[in-house]
Amino acid sequence: GEKVEQHESTLSVREGDSAVINCTYTDTASSYFPWYKQEAGKSLHFVIDIRSNVDRKQSQRLTVLLDKKAKRFSLHITATQPEDSAIYFCAASRGRALIFGTGTTVSVSP
Amino acid sequence: GPKVLQIPSHQIIDMGQMVTLNCDPVSNHLYFYWYKQILGQQMEFLVNFYNGKVMEKSKLFKDQFSVERPDGSYFTLKIQPTALEDSAVYFCASSRDWGSQNTLYFGAGTRLSVL
Repeated sequence: GEKVEQHESTLSVREGDSAVINCTYTDTASSYFPWYKQEAGKSLHFVIDIRSNVDRKQSQRLTVLLDKKAKRFSLHITATQPEDSAIYFCAASRGRALIFGTGTTVSVSP
Repeated sequence: GPKVLQIPSHQIIDMGQMVTLNCDPVSNHLYFYWYKQILGQQMEFLVNFYNGKVMEKSKLFKDQFSVERPDGSYFTLKIQPTALEDSAVYFCASSRDWGSQNTLYFGAGTRLSVL
């Protein structure tokens, strides 16, 4: 079945630097790729998504890139702030379900 | 924003017992989901549910698992009997519309420990 690999399990950055999280997927039929964020002690919440008809989407300091040929997508966070510290999950669609990666713990230090 | 509440946050039970995990979805949402996450591993899809019926389930959704939402109250996941490998965090989610291309709202999870 569909597998989603999230390549970085942890990422430590200095405040103001950029952070990049990379994911790969296996199912060529996947067409929707959301990202979710989980802060300590809180629920997962949606941050940004990209659909397979585009290869780039930006929302404020977040940019998602999609390379369908390589079956790879990534989340770029620019000008990181302490409140960006969280676990980030990538996901890919499979039918009517989302298949998630294992999460990347991002720590932003002052 | 919209909130999904999960009760309890942590449940400890003996193997072979029954357990019910409760989820209070977003009030106007019609589609409900359960995911399972074993520590350090992927969050894995279990089941989705609409209009009183299971729409889709994964191979992880064993015969011992069942879901229901009686009379619009809690959306529940029942495991009977439990096994050691059921120990995990179970996340409930809901969405307004159908399909993976509609934003899912997640609860904070219930950590189930089967001894």
